[in-house]
Amino acid sequence: DAKTTQPPSMDCAEGRAANLPCNHSTISGNEYVYWYRQIHSQGPQYIIHGLKNNETNEMASLIITEDRKSSTLILPHATLRDTAVYYCMSGQGAQKLVFGQGTRLTINP
Amino acid sequence: KAGVTQTPRYLIKTRGQQVTLSCSPISGHRSVSWYQQTPGQGLQFLFEYFSETQRNKGNFPGRFSGRQFSNSRSEMNVSTLELGDSALYLCASSGGQVTGNTIYFGEGSWLTVV
Repeated sequence: DAKTTQPPSMDCAEGRAANLPCNHSTISGNEYVYWYRQIHSQGPQYIIHGLKNNETNEMASLIITEDRKSSTLILPHATLRDTAVYYCMSGQGAQKLVFGQGTRLTINP
Repeated sequence: KAGVTQTPRYLIKTRGQQVTLSCSPISGHRSVSWYQQTPGQGLQFLFEYFSETQRNKGNFPGRFSGRQFSNSRSEMNVSTLELGDSALYLCASSGGQVTGNTIYFGEGSWLTVV
């Protein structure tokens, strides 16, 4: 199964863009990259996913490198409510959904 | 559109008891999966159901079981509870026409075994 690596923690100022990196060097050709976040005591919230092309939705943008070995989640204008643990994962299917330790993002006022 | 709904949200059980957790998937989703999340082990896959059939199973003992009903709602049961079963149990659904394979989680059921 594909494995991901993320920095354990990051800080970002409120109103600035938060850029969260993820390394998924063992990703297979047909595996998607998914991003979720989890606020303490709540279930993981889906953010965005992509295969090859960059993606954008109302929550975030996802930039995937051409070799697909890494990606960056961008929260364009971070707010205090974006403080959470962000998980990057790659794969398909419920049984392959493996969350690593994630990145604990703290948005500072 | 309602999200994945799990009940109960919090419960406390005594060692040796059994517990049943319920999950209602997003309307139109036919796949329901269950996960256990603990600080030490992270997110671990329990099982997945599709059209009332268990499609995949994780590496958990037989004390953990589940089922899915014809309306896609699902339950999981843990018998002979152990202290180590204390965790956040997450249900997720997928398989909608628009959302495809994207997995959406419920808020979880916090189980404490004392």
